[in-house]
Amino acid sequence: NAGVMQNPRHLVRRRGQEARLRCSPMKGHSHVYWYRQLPEEGLKFMVYLQKENIIDESGMPKERFSAEFPKEGPSILRIQQVVRGDSAAYFCASSPAGVSISPTGANVLTFGAGSRLTVL
Amino acid sequence: SQQGEEDPQALSIQEGENATMNCSYKTSINNLQWYRQNSGRGLVHLILIRSNEREKHSGRLRVTLDTSKKSSSLLITASRAADTASYFCATCLMSSEKLVFGKGMKLTVNP
Repeated sequence: NAGVMQNPRHLVRRRGQEARLRCSPMKGHSHVYWYRQLPEEGLKFMVYLQKENIIDESGMPKERFSAEFPKEGPSILRIQQVVRGDSAAYFCASSPAGVSISPTGANVLTFGAGSRLTVL
Repeated sequence: SQQGEEDPQALSIQEGENATMNCSYKTSINNLQWYRQNSGRGLVHLILIRSNEREKHSGRLRVTLDTSKKSSSLLITASRAADTASYFCATCLMSSEKLVFGKGMKLTVNP
């Protein structure tokens, strides 16, 4: 089991360009979360998706950011017209179900290694 | 502001000593989880405690939860240099399926 795979690991973009970050969840996991981490800070929740559905996007900036998790293929976090403030590490995590307590037990998140975006 | 806040923000100890990290949160939770992050890497889950539990152990880790004080602590006993990392508490809010992370605490274990 390859775990949660994120690519690219490092991405450099100039202001105004688009950034696409991909995340393949662990095998058997249908729930994907995206978090952003600024240097020396904690993780800020961005969006929670299940296959073909956005469940909670309360942490997504209203403009330029979008996320999808299609029926086939990886989840994509897309940032249009990047600005310097978008420079951060973006982490994807997956779980077999939501993280609240379920009848069969609680679920935890398995994280990818992150994608580090640098905007010049 | 953050739901979870770790305290202290940084801790430096000698190998063999115990390390205690505290986490306070604001609203009712379903469960609380602790994660570890090595520099430049993703987070790794350490231990989970449910809202109806008061204490859990896993190897050298001991976590407590006091829902009346809205706080949790993580104890690492007999620390090793390899324990050097950042540690985050994360809360799963009631009626929510998202984990909210604190800013983290940097632990340095000196050999």
